[in-house]
Amino acid sequence: DTGVSQDPRHKITKRGQNVTFRCDPISEHNRLYWYRQTLGQGPEFLTYFQNEAQLEKSRLLSDRFSAERPKGSFSTLEIQRTEQGDSAMYLCASSLVVGELFFGEGSRLTVL
Amino acid sequence: AQSVAQPEDQVNVAEGNPLTVKCTYSVSGNPYLFWYVQYPNRGLQFLLKYITGDNLVKGSYGFEAEFNKSQTSFHLKKPSALVSDSALYFCAHMDSNYQLIWGAGTKLIIKP
Repeated sequence: DTGVSQDPRHKITKRGQNVTFRCDPISEHNRLYWYRQTLGQGPEFLTYFQNEAQLEKSRLLSDRFSAERPKGSFSTLEIQRTEQGDSAMYLCASSLVVGELFFGEGSRLTVL
Repeated sequence: AQSVAQPEDQVNVAEGNPLTVKCTYSVSGNPYLFWYVQYPNRGLQFLLKYITGDNLVKGSYGFEAEFNKSQTSFHLKKPSALVSDSALYFCAHMDSNYQLIWGAGTKLIIKP
C-alpha cells in the first residue's frame, strides 16, 4: 500500500501522560499536514511541513503540541500532559499538488 | 472571516435520484474551492476542485460541482445516486497561505 499510513490507529491514555503519533506520507509528497477532527466537525488545521521545514503552526495550538519531520520523510506529533479535551481523531495528510491532500485513516486519541 | 458553510447537516436521497450537497462561501477575491469525501472508517479523499475556468467541474466517482459566483455557491452534484455514495462530504476553500479551511460537513444518506 503506497498511501498515507498512521500509527497507532487508536491510543487510550490517562490524563497527564504524553502521547506520540507517527505519520508516513506518500514517498514523493513534499507537503505534510496534521489536522485534528472531532465528531461532527470538519478537520482543524494543526501544522504544516514542506519537506523538513515546519512552515505553519496553528495559533490555536497549545505549546503542549509539537511536531517534527526529520529528513523530510515521516512525521511525528507529540502531545505532552494530555487533557481530556485533546480526545479527537488526529489526521495526517500529504500532497504534491497544493490543495489535493491524501489523508491517512487517522489516529484516534482517547484521554481518560 | 473567510469561510465556507454547509447549511445541511444531513441529506437523504433515494437511490437513483439526483443528489445535491450544498456549499456556500464567503471569500474575498477569487475562491479556490474543494470537495472531499469521508467514507465510514476511511480517510478523507479528494473529489474535485475549482481554481479557475469552467464553472462546472467534474471529479471522481461521477461527481461534479458547479461554481456560481453570483450566489457564492459551490454545490456538489451527481445525476444518479448510489447507496455506496453514503458518506460524509466536506467543502473547503484555500486561504491566502494555501491552507484548506473546512466546512462542518454534510452526511449524505442514500436509501435503497
